[in-house]
Amino acid sequence: AQSVAQPEDQVNVAEGNPLTVKCTYSVSGNPYLFWYVQYPNRGLQFLLKYITGDNLVKGSYGFEAEFNKSQTSFHLKKPSALVSDSALYFCAVRDITANNAGNMLTFGGGTRLMVKP
Amino acid sequence: ETGVTQTPRHLVMGMTNKKSLKCEQHLGHNAMYWYKQSAKKPLELMFVYSLEERVENNSVPSRFSPECPNSSHLFLHLHTLQPEDSALYLCASSQEVPLAINNEQFFGPGTRLTVL
Repeated sequence: AQSVAQPEDQVNVAEGNPLTVKCTYSVSGNPYLFWYVQYPNRGLQFLLKYITGDNLVKGSYGFEAEFNKSQTSFHLKKPSALVSDSALYFCAVRDITANNAGNMLTFGGGTRLMVKP
Repeated sequence: ETGVTQTPRHLVMGMTNKKSLKCEQHLGHNAMYWYKQSAKKPLELMFVYSLEERVENNSVPSRFSPECPNSSHLFLHLHTLQPEDSALYLCASSQEVPLAINNEQFFGPGTRLTVL
């Protein structure tokens, strides 16, 4: 079984400050990890993914995430937050060894990011 | 735009109504998904179709009935719903390649459903 935890319901940060949104995962094999963002009244938009290779993954809108196998974490980061980054962020995982058809991701509960001017 | 469209965007229905949600993807993908997003609950995967065959049905009540007539279209038929079924219903698609690296899912904007 695979699972994802986002321990913070909400993260508050001032504009211009660095931000981190936390994610930890559990899989039986090797993970595929994803971050999605959801703006109000919109569907989820893909931000970035980790499949293999460099532990630091760069994505859209200046976001990046660091894969840490020993800590089973995949935290989302950005050096300087913008007010427009305020949204709901979802971490997701798929166990690449899982014998299932279809790209069945398990999503975390989401973290609301609030960036204040 | 992500290339995945959903209609209607908003739907209000009574418990005795029958309605359908529609999803269409213009990306040439071969897998489609229905998710339910409720307030303060994780995103729930409801159904998965891969190559037009249902491959996942996560203990969803029978009052929800999916249909995938072809790889570009996905429907969710609704019948005798309950107020607790009120939620945002999201459709997604992806390109599945067996034994290969998975691609990300592309989501539609969702249908906001309210059951009275």
